[in-house]
Amino acid sequence: QSALTQPASVSGSPGQSITISCTGTSSDVGGYNYVSWFQQHPGKAPKLMIYEVSNRPSGVSDRFSGSKSDNTASLTISGLQADDEADYYCSSYTGRTVNTVVFGGGTKLTVL
Amino acid sequence: EVQLVESGGGLVQPGGSLRLSCAVSGFTFSNYWMHWVRQAPGKGLVWVSRIKTDGSNTNYADSVKGRFTISRDNAENTLYLQMNSLRAEDTAVYYCARDRVSGSGSMDVWGKGTTVTVSS
Repeated sequence: QSALTQPASVSGSPGQSITISCTGTSSDVGGYNYVSWFQQHPGKAPKLMIYEVSNRPSGVSDRFSGSKSDNTASLTISGLQADDEADYYCSSYTGRTVNTVVFGGGTKLTVL
Repeated sequence: EVQLVESGGGLVQPGGSLRLSCAVSGFTFSNYWMHWVRQAPGKGLVWVSRIKTDGSNTNYADSVKGRFTISRDNAENTLYLQMNSLRAEDTAVYYCARDRVSGSGSMDVWGKGTTVTVSS
C-alpha cells in the first residue's frame, strides 16, 4: 500500500479539464511544500511535471498546474490532449530519516 | 546534453548481490542530490534511496534499509547502488534521478532504467 493515495484512474475527453488528487498526512503532503507530480508513458522513464506543489519545470506546458490544500495535493490538466494519456504519480518529502520521500500509487489517465 | 545512464542490472538468485551504476553527464554532478527509484513489473514508482551532494547524508526506504547502500564518486560522475541479500520482491526497473531541490524529491532528470530480476 502506497503512502500517498491517488485514484486508480481518471478520464476525460479532448479539450476538457481533469484533476488528480493525492492525499497524504500532516507528516508529508500537509507538512511540506515539496509535492511533485510525474508523468509516465508506457515503457518510458517518468517525467517531472510539477515540483514544490505548483512550479512547472521549463518546457512543461502551462496546461499542467498543481495546488495543495491541507493534506491533499492536486494536479489539474486543462485542454486535454491525446498525448496526455499516461500514468501520473505524486510524491512528497516527509522529513523522516527512513522513507524520506514517498510516492502515490499512480493514476491512469485515459483520454476518451 | 544532460544524461543519466544506468547499468549493472541482470538476473541474480535470491540472497545474491548486484551493484548498479548511474553515469551522469552534461551537468555538475557534485552540485546535486541524487535518488534511486524502482518500479516492479506493472506496478507504481517506489522511492529507494537518496544521497547528498558530497555523500555525507544518505536515506533509505524501510524495505531496503540494511541491505542496500547508496554511494557516489563525484570525481567519476557516477552514482551507485549496492544491493545485497536480494529478494524476489526487489525485482524491478531501477531508475536513477537528479533532484533539483536539495533532496526533496523534485526529480527533474531521470535515466532510462536498468532491470533487476531476482529469481532462482
